[in-house]
Amino acid sequence: DAGVIQSPRHEVTEMGQEVTLRCKPISGHNSLFWYRQTMMRGLELLIYFNNNVPIDDSGMPEDRFSAKMPNASFSTLKIQPSEPRDSAVYFCASSSTQETQYFGPGTRLLVL
Amino acid sequence: GDSVTQMEGPVTLSEEAFLTINCTYTATGYPSLFWYVQYPGEGLQLLLKATKADDKGSNKGFEATYRKETTSFHLEKGSVQVSDSAVYFCALRNSNSGYALNFGKGTSLLVTP
Repeated sequence: DAGVIQSPRHEVTEMGQEVTLRCKPISGHNSLFWYRQTMMRGLELLIYFNNNVPIDDSGMPEDRFSAKMPNASFSTLKIQPSEPRDSAVYFCASSSTQETQYFGPGTRLLVL
Repeated sequence: GDSVTQMEGPVTLSEEAFLTINCTYTATGYPSLFWYVQYPGEGLQLLLKATKADDKGSNKGFEATYRKETTSFHLEKGSVQVSDSAVYFCALRNSNSGYALNFGKGTSLLVTP
């Protein structure tokens, strides 16, 4: 099993640019989660999908953030326009049993 | 709302010392409780879990018991190794509020030879 795959692993961009983070969940998992990790706020849930449908997006910071899951094997998290305060590690996780979530390696985003 | 409180770190121990990382929670209903570990530069890995009161989760020498009366899920290990150096996160999942995990702030552990 390849585990949850995220790309890119590192992203450095300039303020105002669009950033797209990608996630491939574990095959057969029907729930997908996006988290953000910062020193100040720890791990925060941004949004999660169940069977490709967004269930709770209350953690999405503002309209600059959007997430999609067009099919069971792919999801994106987009930030447009990006700001320096968006710098963080973004994790994707997936789950099949609604209990154990498996995390990807994360995308380290730096917005200059 | 639901919340998880962990002891502040960093925790520094000598190899073979006993480890306790405290975790308490606030939640309605009957949440499931988890400990995740994050090694430097990596994502989170599930360490252990417990889904009901008095359950004990265990893995790799780590243990935690779900104590509903004290709303706690403290992580323990009898003899830590240098390779246990990582950040440990306590988390809960409450079916009343969906499937997402609610994490504590994390506790950094450094084990020295």
